Amino acid sequence: GAVVSQHPSWVICKSGTSVKIECRSLDFQATTMFWYRQFPKQSLMLMATSNEGSKATYEQGVEKDKFLINHASLTLSTLTVTSAHPEDSSFYICSARDFRGTDTQYFGPGTRLTVL
Amino acid sequence: DQQVKQNSPSLSVQEGRISILNCDYTNSMFDYFLWYKKYPAEGPTFLISISSIKDKNEDGRFTVFLNKSAKHLSLHIVPSQPGDSAVYFCAAKNQAGTALIFGKGTTLSVSS
Repeated sequence: GAVVSQHPSWVICKSGTSVKIECRSLDFQATTMFWYRQFPKQSLMLMATSNEGSKATYEQGVEKDKFLINHASLTLSTLTVTSAHPEDSSFYICSARDFRGTDTQYFGPGTRLTVL
Repeated sequence: DQQVKQNSPSLSVQEGRISILNCDYTNSMFDYFLWYKKYPAEGPTFLISISSIKDKNEDGRFTVFLNKSAKHLSLHIVPSQPGDSAVYFCAAKNQAGTALIFGKGTTLSVSS
């Protein structure tokens, strides 16, 4: 199957700093990538849809100025959590849409963000 | 309003028996359904999918059944193995949209 990587896998930062998370599709091109957030024992919540070469589409309630998304190439999307606060601590997961086959989304391993 | 529902938060099954995970949806525009398996602190792993033009899709020990009239799908795992213990998410999408809508997940525990 298609492989999606995320980096870093775990990051701890101080309140007020910014953190960048990378999502890469390793063996396929992804014109569309998605960013999800998961709180403990809850489902995956879609934050935004990232389209290569255009602005991301954010879900209702997600602050676009706080969660900056850049999809500069067909294999890379980045999520930057700006001025992070403890309530931003969560598990962030990206997925990439593979158009080659059945339009399945493949997920990265996730990034655990802890804001102190 | 939750469009994809997994009403059973947990399921316990003995090794070798069948595991049946259920999922209901409310949006009749959904035309593609997927099941993902997730371990703690990892991203979901794609298991199996089904298009709305089919009512069954099989891949090894995993079979997904779709009942469009009831807006219900299920994942059958036969035989269940301890390594199948994980959280299983049902997801759906419609032709017009590209994002997946996820259920809340069902935690499957397979005991040996």
